[in-house]
Amino acid sequence: DGGITQSPKYLFRKEGQNVTLSCEQNLNHDAMYWYRQDPGQGLRLIYYSQIVNDFQKGDIAEGYSVSREKKESFPLTVTSAQKNPTAFYLCASIASGHYNEQFFGPGTRLTVL
Amino acid sequence: AQSVAQPEDQVNVAEGNPLTVKCTYSVSGNPYLFWYVQYPNRGLQFLLKYITGDNLVKGSYGFEAEFNKSQTSFHLKKPSALVSDSALYFCAVRGPNAGNNRKLIWGLGTSLAVNP
Repeated sequence: DGGITQSPKYLFRKEGQNVTLSCEQNLNHDAMYWYRQDPGQGLRLIYYSQIVNDFQKGDIAEGYSVSREKKESFPLTVTSAQKNPTAFYLCASIASGHYNEQFFGPGTRLTVL
Repeated sequence: AQSVAQPEDQVNVAEGNPLTVKCTYSVSGNPYLFWYVQYPNRGLQFLLKYITGDNLVKGSYGFEAEFNKSQTSFHLKKPSALVSDSALYFCAVRGPNAGNNRKLIWGLGTSLAVNP
């Protein structure tokens, strides 16, 4: 089955630690996105990538980093510089073409202890 | 500035009754509009979209939405609600000049509760 996978589903981190969230897609989509979801705040864009080896900051990039070495993979690292990292993180991808919709992974819930 | 508003944080409806989840938008030019649904602790699922053409768009699970250009609205509707429709619903918009990044502007979501 084609789709987007995110791992792990739940992640616990101690303060001061970096942690990497995985996002993989086998849809052959060009563009990929990372969102953060907090209760009552909707989805906020962290980073996005339109092609391999290229990515741009979204609205709340501070304290996060990404890489796009392969078309299928777009990992997100939450660094110790992110002051309030506890949230639900969603990865999405979109096929080439101007009118397509984004497809979402199942999400990773990160909790800082 | 481009924006999306979902004026109701929560909508309650009895099972079997029609439901409406409201969305209004502000973009320059003709918008591309999307509805998504999210069940607890899950990712978002695409329901339907409006790009051009017929103002009434039909989507997954019996949902439909009506694009109203004069009122800048794109309300989500279903003729007969099911308890299983209870979820969080998001409206999103992209302006025609958004460029190749295809970024979406998201509403804050509306929680739909369908009571048996």
